[in-house]
Amino acid sequence: DAMVIQNPRYQVTQFGKPVTLSCSQTLNHNVMYWYQQKSSQAPKLLFHYYDKDFNNEADTPDNFQSRRPNTSFCFLDIRSPGLGDAAMYLCATSTLAGGPEETQYFGPGTRLLVL
Amino acid sequence: ILNVEQSPQSLHVQEGDSTNFTCSFPSSNFYALHWYRWETAKSPEALFVMTLNGDEKKKGRISATLNTKEGYSYLYIKGSQPEDSATYLCASHRGGSNYKLTFGKGTLLTVNP
Repeated sequence: DAMVIQNPRYQVTQFGKPVTLSCSQTLNHNVMYWYQQKSSQAPKLLFHYYDKDFNNEADTPDNFQSRRPNTSFCFLDIRSPGLGDAAMYLCATSTLAGGPEETQYFGPGTRLLVL
Repeated sequence: ILNVEQSPQSLHVQEGDSTNFTCSFPSSNFYALHWYRWETAKSPEALFVMTLNGDEKKKGRISATLNTKEGYSYLYIKGSQPEDSATYLCASHRGGSNYKLTFGKGTLLTVNP
């Protein structure tokens, strides 16, 4: 089945140690999104790619970066994780650049723990 | 309303009960309202997308309504089953130069057998 895959499902890192989360998709969708969901909070969009065009949300910290080397893969890099970056990170895809009725297809998320 | 709000935050029902919960969203520049179901350890799964005032959508025992003038949507589950246990997220799509989904915090439903 076509799907969105996130690895690893759980990631433990140390305070200040760079960490990379990965997302891959077999849907061949143009758009890929990264969301952050902290405990008891709403998922919050960090950034998205439309093909290779990167779109950063205004309030996404500089500590968060992303790479999309090809259509299938997208990475979230956290350069110096702080305790406040512990969260569930969700990757999603869609076929268009945010068309209102466009469904987003999500991966199962990576839960990041910062020690 | 500036954000997407969902209520209640959580609820427990018995198998066979019918239940409903609410999503409130900004009514200005409204384009679409999405409902997702997110079971533990799985991916959020799209349930409905609604755009027109008065829209009603149904999938099996789950249905949803939309009021864009007052900015709310209801999700109904008839005859809840344990497999309905999940977090139900709603998200609003607003017009403008930066189309994006703004999510609520979700309603966690637990159906006890």
